[in-house]
Amino acid sequence: TQLLEQSPQFLSIQEGENLTVYCNSSSVFSSLQWYRQEPGEGPVLLVTVVTGGEVKKLKRLTFQFGDARKDSSLHITAAQPGDTGLYLCAGDAKYGGATNKLIFGTGTLLAVQP
Amino acid sequence: DVKVTQSSRYLVKRTGEKVFLECVQDMDHENMFWYRQDPGLGLRLIYFSYDVKMKEKGDIPEGYSVSREKKERFSLILESASTNQTSMYLCASITGPGTDGYTFGSGTRLTVV
Repeated sequence: TQLLEQSPQFLSIQEGENLTVYCNSSSVFSSLQWYRQEPGEGPVLLVTVVTGGEVKKLKRLTFQFGDARKDSSLHITAAQPGDTGLYLCAGDAKYGGATNKLIFGTGTLLAVQP
Repeated sequence: DVKVTQSSRYLVKRTGEKVFLECVQDMDHENMFWYRQDPGLGLRLIYFSYDVKMKEKGDIPEGYSVSREKKERFSLILESASTNQTSMYLCASITGPGTDGYTFGSGTRLTVV
């Protein structure tokens, strides 16, 4: 069974601080996605990374895919209360197959205090 | 924007009842998925479907079945609800292989008493 482990599980920080969330696996994924989920809603896609070593930026969020395509990180600069939510990484478990079957990490719950 | 609509936001059912969770998407997506989400366990795949009348088991199919009679609708069925099926259930769809992300519904929080 492919597993994705995220760390930390919980993070409570002050507005303006920086933070990094990690997503690790022993398996290789063809792509990896990051989602954010707000209370009472479904996850919403933030970004997809495909190439080993790839870095993508989305405003204050920086996503990196590991060189071996087994891990990823999400770095938030100058966090704001609006960044509060559950962050989920998800790896594409079917390489080159007919469907995208995602394996989700356990999630990182971020709370940014004003 | 693609919309995935789950018929109920909250449900309370009794142990032993047959429960139907409905999911409809409006963008002609081939692939649809049912996950359950529990604290500390993340999202776990129950079943998925890549075409009408086609279904495949996910990681935790026991106690569940699914139906996909039309492309836009994917139903999750709890044959005889049990308290350990109390959870948040999330439906998602995607057009096909590639780098597009899943589009999720808002979820159904099911409580079995």
